[in-house]
Amino acid sequence: DAKTTQPPSMDCAEGRAANLPCNHSTISGNEYVYWYRQIHSQGPQYIIHGLKNNETNEMASLIITEDRKSSTLILPHATLRDTAVYYCIVRVGAGGGADGLTFGKGTHLIIQP
Amino acid sequence: DVKVTQSSRYLVKRTGEKVFLECVQDMDHENMFWYRQDPGLGLRLIYFSYDVKMKEKGDIPEGYSVSREKKERFSLILESASTNQTSMYLCASSSPGQGDTGELFFGEGSRLTVL
Repeated sequence: DAKTTQPPSMDCAEGRAANLPCNHSTISGNEYVYWYRQIHSQGPQYIIHGLKNNETNEMASLIITEDRKSSTLILPHATLRDTAVYYCIVRVGAGGGADGLTFGKGTHLIIQP
Repeated sequence: DVKVTQSSRYLVKRTGEKVFLECVQDMDHENMFWYRQDPGLGLRLIYFSYDVKMKEKGDIPEGYSVSREKKERFSLILESASTNQTSMYLCASSSPGQGDTGELFFGEGSRLTVL
């Protein structure tokens, strides 16, 4: 899996949009971008994934640049419960693979009241 | 909802003891994984399994073994626990195949302390 680069920490005010960047400049054409988050003392939780188009679900939006070398996870209205470590991961294929994801150190997002 | 259950949230063992960490998933997933998580090092893959009785080494298999006798259960074994195996252990599962998102479903974790 290609490596990703994320800022170690970010702050965001409650109610504002949280925009978490991720660089993956060596991503290959068949690698997807995944985002997970881990709230303290819990296992990681899947948020969203995409290949090249922007994606949105009930939790977040994923914006992938046209050259696919970076992406941004957007939490539109951050709440205190969104305080967590957010991991950006790239992996080959969206499924069918038995290999586990490679987690980096992620971004510790702190939502301020 | 998919549920991945790890048998113990907290364990305390002594150096040299044999330790079993159990993980059960209820979604008939083919793939199961064991990670450990340490401050500053993130999650590291220990072993994974893509079928009953099949296992593959991850990035840090030394000092560990695994067992997958039934599809729903994946056990991590520390044959002789050492203090450097004090960590949070996370089990996950996923299902391959068409339509699969590649999502991993994680358990709550087992925090092991080796004295």
